[in-house]
Amino acid sequence: RKEVEQDPGPFNVPEGATVAFNCTYSNSASQSFFWYRQDCRKEPKLLMSVYSSGNEDGRFTAQLNRASQYISLLIRDSKLSDSATYLCVVKGGGGADGLTFGKGTHLIIQP
Amino acid sequence: SQTIHQWPATLVQPVGSPLSLECTVEGTSNPNLYWYRQAAGRGLQLLFYSVGIGQISSEVPQNLSASRPQDRQFILSSKKLLLSDSGFYLCAWSRPSQAIFYGYTFGSGTRLTIV
Repeated sequence: RKEVEQDPGPFNVPEGATVAFNCTYSNSASQSFFWYRQDCRKEPKLLMSVYSSGNEDGRFTAQLNRASQYISLLIRDSKLSDSATYLCVVKGGGGADGLTFGKGTHLIIQP
Repeated sequence: SQTIHQWPATLVQPVGSPLSLECTVEGTSNPNLYWYRQAAGRGLQLLFYSVGIGQISSEVPQNLSASRPQDRQFILSSKKLLLSDSGFYLCAWSRPSQAIFYGYTFGSGTRLTIV
């Protein structure tokens, strides 16, 4: 089982709709979780951390389900500018501070 | 505030040529530094990380090497590039033991094409 798995998409969603996607992780001891956004041919940028109780940042809501080992991202009232690849990130695996990146879910918001 | 600089932005190199990519961080000291590669249509692959000057850990065996000659400078090198080395190379930094809270911050990347 891969450490962090995401549906690659693409998710084609009309502007103004709500879209949600999940990410599963394999290491039950994982301690922290993030969502990153990556625009085409650009570097990934931190979108939001994911807290155990769930958290919201404007139109974005992140949730964590430790029992089932998945993280979700919900985007409400989607904008054209939300089109990007969303990377799920989990603290676990190799490297100092050991962040492991999923391959990303590609989201396309259509006018 | 902290900033991370990476150059060049794009690079086209012939097979068998050497490589040197540089990354510097400003506004912080003793950062953890990372080199990632993202091949076309694939995820981020951690290549090297460093927790201090001269300290390099390699995650994947390959013909690349990394060095950290100064606290805030991280260099990715190769003596002889392969076609398979093409990709998007990203440098990142984090405060020691703080990535759990803040994740990593990435540089703008170098798009390397081997011809």
